[in-house]
Amino acid sequence: DSGVTQTPKHLITATGQRVTLRCSPRSGDLSVYWYQQSLDQGLQFLIHYYNGEERAKGNILERFSAQQFPDLHSELNLSSLELGDSALYFCASSVGRLAGSNTQYFGPGTRLTVL
Amino acid sequence: QKEVEQDPGPLSVPEGAIVSLNCTYSNSAFQYFMWYRQYSRKGPELLMYTYSSGNKEDGRFTAQVDKSSKYISLFIRDSQPSDSATYLCAMSWISGSARQLTFGSGTQLTVLP
Repeated sequence: DSGVTQTPKHLITATGQRVTLRCSPRSGDLSVYWYQQSLDQGLQFLIHYYNGEERAKGNILERFSAQQFPDLHSELNLSSLELGDSALYFCASSVGRLAGSNTQYFGPGTRLTVL
Repeated sequence: QKEVEQDPGPLSVPEGAIVSLNCTYSNSAFQYFMWYRQYSRKGPELLMYTYSSGNKEDGRFTAQVDKSSKYISLFIRDSQPSDSATYLCAMSWISGSARQLTFGSGTQLTVLP
């Protein structure tokens, strides 16, 4: 158990809908990262938040957005869902922003299925 | 060309074999090198990380980094069926004001009993 929690575990929804994925980082970690993993794409970095502020964006679509709250939990919002958005979405956390290796610890993921 | 190249496999070996997993990279900005293990439909789990060129050993696992060749390896000795998983290499670098990770595509390993 990495200490990172994600809810829900599974999500089934229809095209055009909007969903919210939630992540709680490990105790003491200030950084939260979101990744998308589909069969043919591997782990794709979406976005990074550090202590409530956005720090980096990766291959995140404009239909997707995220935020990190004062209690450090984070939410990833996916809207106008398309079939191709079906994937595993992982959250990871780390202690800092720049220090050391900044090892990331991953949650169990949310499996999103768009029908 | 991707920044990190990793042979996707699948790789199948008998129990007890020595396994060698490899990644090459092109970005000289990569500073830390990590190996994650991912069981089917689970979150990636950190196995090891290294910084400098050379070897780092942890039990049956040895991570090797050759920065001059931009090549990293993970060796698994006395492989067990429980080692069957996808192994992802990851490389840490500074992007703007934060560190990021770039992952390889993963190598699927099966250890046959």
